[in-house]
Amino acid sequence: AQKVTQAQTEISVVEKEDVTLDCVYETRDTTYYLFWYKQPPSGELVFLIRRNSFDEQNEISGRYSWNFQKSTSSFNFTITASQVVDSAVYFCALRGPNQAGTALIFGKGTTLSVSS
Amino acid sequence: DVKVTQSSRYLVKRTGEKVFLECVQDMDHENMFWYRQDPGLGLRLIYFSYDVKMKEKGDIPEGYSVSREKKERFSLILESASTNQTSMYLCASRSGRFTMNTEAFFGQGTRLTVV
Repeated sequence: AQKVTQAQTEISVVEKEDVTLDCVYETRDTTYYLFWYKQPPSGELVFLIRRNSFDEQNEISGRYSWNFQKSTSSFNFTITASQVVDSAVYFCALRGPNQAGTALIFGKGTTLSVSS
Repeated sequence: DVKVTQSSRYLVKRTGEKVFLECVQDMDHENMFWYRQDPGLGLRLIYFSYDVKMKEKGDIPEGYSVSREKKERFSLILESASTNQTSMYLCASRSGRFTMNTEAFFGQGTRLTVV
């Protein structure tokens, strides 16, 4: 079965702190894709990153970085020097070849609150 | 920019009413999806469509139906709304029916309250 677990329901930090959002996934597929989406208070999910199962290279984009480790089935997301605008719900998602419609399977989300 | 537009941000309906949630995308995407988002449960797939007039059930299709008469439009129908269908509904679209590496684009969501 395919599953995505985001164990952290809510995280609160103060501006400029670093914060890591955890994502653990389960799949029997050898080819799959992992995604992170951000949902700000406005409601629309915004795509952040996609990573395929053959590419374990970590990625950095500004204050955002992602650590993909197949050995631990994890795809963690770190925000460096957090800002109030980072406050949102963050979703990790998985897509494999055998899922209906190749739809995304989402974790339950982590609500990040950044205070000034 | 890809745009997925949901017809309403907020809706209040009465129990037993037939409710239509509309979604339109402007990028000629083959795939369209309806998700439901509830606190503590994340996003759950209700229905999806990979082509005009084609539809497939997702994880929680009970109480819902869908219609896709045109490629750009995907409608979610609550045949007889119930209070347990009070939720945030999100529409998404994606290109490439059999591809896995394209990201999905989401609408802004419709917050439906059934009273």
